[in-house]
Amino acid sequence: EADIYQTPRYLVIGTGKKITLECSQTMGHDKMYWYQQDPGMELHLIHYSYGVNSTEKGDLSSESTVSRIRTEHFPLTLESARPSHTSQYLCASSDSWMLSVPQYFGPGTRLLVL
Amino acid sequence: AQKVTQAQTEISVVEKEDVTLDCVYETRDTTYYLFWYKQPPSGELVFLIRRNSFDEQNEISGRYSWNFQKSTSSFNFTITASQVVDSAVYFCALSGTGNQFYFGTGTSLTVIP
Repeated sequence: EADIYQTPRYLVIGTGKKITLECSQTMGHDKMYWYQQDPGMELHLIHYSYGVNSTEKGDLSSESTVSRIRTEHFPLTLESARPSHTSQYLCASSDSWMLSVPQYFGPGTRLLVL
Repeated sequence: AQKVTQAQTEISVVEKEDVTLDCVYETRDTTYYLFWYKQPPSGELVFLIRRNSFDEQNEISGRYSWNFQKSTSSFNFTITASQVVDSAVYFCALSGTGNQFYFGTGTSLTVIP
């Protein structure tokens, strides 16, 4: 079972605020990912990282940014939250480049921007 | 192009009934992996099973079974004798070139007691 943590689990915030969603994993995985998921919808990859100091944009354009200063930590930041950012954000990690390796997911952060 | 299609948006069954969740995929890769994930109401995705493109042997694990047919590009998932705890959204995913995951839109399963 994977050990990947996300905080906060729920966040209600006003428009224009800066927010950071935390994601940490204790498995030493090199690859980490952020997905955005609207209710009843598929997952959309918004950011991923190959390792420390590596960040890449995913398939879905996002106004968020990420950083990877430590292997275990992959925070996502929104400089100015808007109602359109309301969604669930899921963090995941995997320990290999091999196709066979599953991604392990955190519990998610449900964000509501008023 | 890589694509995963889960045509069933929502399914409801009565407890103890069997239920099959369909997954159809598209890929030009010769080597790829297929996965099933479960997302309970709590939100996290839980990895259930993976299959590689060279292994069409079907698998049974307890009440779960998987049917992989390369000829029809399908990777279906069956729950036997469903239970209320099986209620969740189930996602099929494809891992191919670039080690990117491509998820289907999910099938919401409700098991009625």
